Amino acid sequence: SQQGEEDPQALSIQEGENATMNCSYKTSINNLQWYRQNSGRGLVHLILIRSNEREKHSGRLRVTLDTSKKSSSLLITASRAADTASYFCASVTGGFKTIFGAGTRLFVKA
Amino acid sequence: DAMVIQNPRYQVTQFGKPVTLSCSQTLNHNVMYWYQQKSSQAPKLLFHYYDKDFNNEADTPDNFQSRRPNTSFCFLDIRSPGLGDAAMYLCATSRAGTSGRWLYNEQFFGPGTRLTVL
Repeated sequence: SQQGEEDPQALSIQEGENATMNCSYKTSINNLQWYRQNSGRGLVHLILIRSNEREKHSGRLRVTLDTSKKSSSLLITASRAADTASYFCASVTGGFKTIFGAGTRLFVKA
Repeated sequence: DAMVIQNPRYQVTQFGKPVTLSCSQTLNHNVMYWYQQKSSQAPKLLFHYYDKDFNNEADTPDNFQSRRPNTSFCFLDIRSPGLGDAAMYLCATSRAGTSGRWLYNEQFFGPGTRLTVL
């Protein structure tokens, strides 16, 4: 399968806790992106990290990238009930090829 | 507001009856993508346009075609839908270019069209 891998598949936490999701990919990338998808809706872009970057922050989001291990992680700090959604990583290689990971379903309990 | 619009949001078709899904954008992006997403799965790239250049993914069935008559619009044609083609179809756009090296940027997604095949 060309699909990237993410873990965990599902994550349930209490409001205020941190959530960490991991992503692995198979080939050299131009960049890696994280998206959120609420049930039955389109994807919303969260953050993009380029292959020459190692860490990036955006509000409560922190993304790391380890190209030697072909892996990335997304940390959501101080989670809220509104963060409940599916989270996907997407590896982008040359020629616009975009491969999404299997996704992590996050449930934040109020 | 600049956005990506997909019509219709829900489409029901019969087995074997051609169907066309549409996507339009007001972002003036030069790249448009079509993805297929089946229930509880990741989106899967079918093809993309970079300006007028069409690029098909190797494993996209011949049953799926696309047209981009201008920068703003892109269509997905399914020539003979089968039951296995029931899915959410997502359109996305991005801006790409070169500045010494290729710059691929974030993709903006439409709300999707949910296709049911009877």
